[in-house]
Order: sequence, then C-alpha cells, then structure tokens
Amino acid sequence: GESVGLHLPTLSVQEGDNSIINCAYSNSASDYFIWYKQESGKGPQFIIDIRSNMDKRQGQRVTVLLNKTVKHLSLQIAATQPGDSAVYFCAEDHNAGGTSYGKLTFGQGTILTVHP
Amino acid sequence: DTEVTQTPKHLVMGMTNKKSLKCEQHMGHRAMYWYKQKAKKPPELMFVYSYEKLSINESVPSRFSPECPNSSLLNLHLHALQPEDSALYLCASSQEAVSYEQYFGPGTRLTVT
Repeated sequence: GESVGLHLPTLSVQEGDNSIINCAYSNSASDYFIWYKQESGKGPQFIIDIRSNMDKRQGQRVTVLLNKTVKHLSLQIAATQPGDSAVYFCAEDHNAGGTSYGKLTFGQGTILTVHP
Repeated sequence: DTEVTQTPKHLVMGMTNKKSLKCEQHMGHRAMYWYKQKAKKPPELMFVYSYEKLSINESVPSRFSPECPNSSLLNLHLHALQPEDSALYLCASSQEAVSYEQYFGPGTRLTVT
C-alpha cells in the first residue's frame, strides 16, 4: 500500500504487479515534467519526461500521465521487477515563461519496494 | 561513454579546511550542474553552467565556489563549511542547458566536522 506522512511516501508491491507512483506539482506554469529513479548509493537516473501539452506518454514498461486540471502526475510501471526498487522523484521545470536552463525542482520522492 | 564521474566518493573535512569536489563527463555535454541532497530529501539545484559560463546560482553561500575549467570538467571549491553543509553533492550534465535529460554522477558524500 501507499502511505504519506512525515516520512517519504512508500509503495510496496509484489514482483510482476503494476505500480503507480503519484506526484502533485505546484507550478501551473511548468512546461516539462520528468521522472527520475534513484537507487541506493547512486545518482538519479532519467526515466521519462512529458511536455505540458500532452496527457500521456509511454516508454518501455513505463507510462507517465499528466492531469493539469488537478496538477497531478503519475508514473505507471508495468510488471514491476525487484530491480525497480528505488526512490522515484518527479521533477518540474520552473520555466515561468523564460529559458529554464534545465532548472529542475524535484518533488519529495516515493520509495518503491518490490518483493520477489 | 555515458558516465559522469565524481571524486572523491567520500570526504570528511573540518570547518577551517579548504577542499574541492571534482566532476567529469566525456559525453560532449555543454551544460553541467551541481546539486545538494540531504538524507531522505530530493536533490536541490545549486549551480548551472552552460557552455562553461555560470548561468544559474541558486543563492548559494559564497563558501561554495564553482568552477568550470573546460567543457568536460566541473569543480566545487569548499571553504569554511558548516556542519549543516554535510550532504551528498551530485554533479550532472546534459546535452544542452534546456535539456531535462540530465545524467547524474554517483555523488560525493561530504561530512563537515
């Protein structure tokens, strides 16, 4: 299940299940939204991005959904594997109409644990 | 080579020390970044370099001084740090500064005593 509180949200799933990780963003002017995965002892790794004029984008085993009405972003991982265990961060640019220079603001993160 | 390397992996320094963190990439990327990450927190942007020029300084205290000697190297010079500066310092690069696909190094774990 998923829990939110003083600690990072956590999501525990069984291997083979589909996972959905959610993110609420703050800046309605953001033009790009990105998901990163950070494994223990490593730097974040780019997974997928979506532009604000899109609702859905699919990659390999991952789908990102964007709902601008409620400022909500989700990452769906199909057939989750133990190697997917990591902290997942959503990130948004703070373009505010200008050149963002890759200026990303990361969300708080969700810990995904996949049990074999 | 799609790797960003950072040295050292770990660094312990006193508040009066001067040290430097180093970052290197050979992907031909023209934008490089420094982030700070505290435990169980997301990375926070510190500096952005685009074409070897400082583009963004996120109001970082002057005890952190970035340097980009060439398009492949990025340094972060540290002086008179405080214990609260202890964190994981991440370097990243991207093809251009407007690219959101940033490649991160493994970070330097800094402890200030």
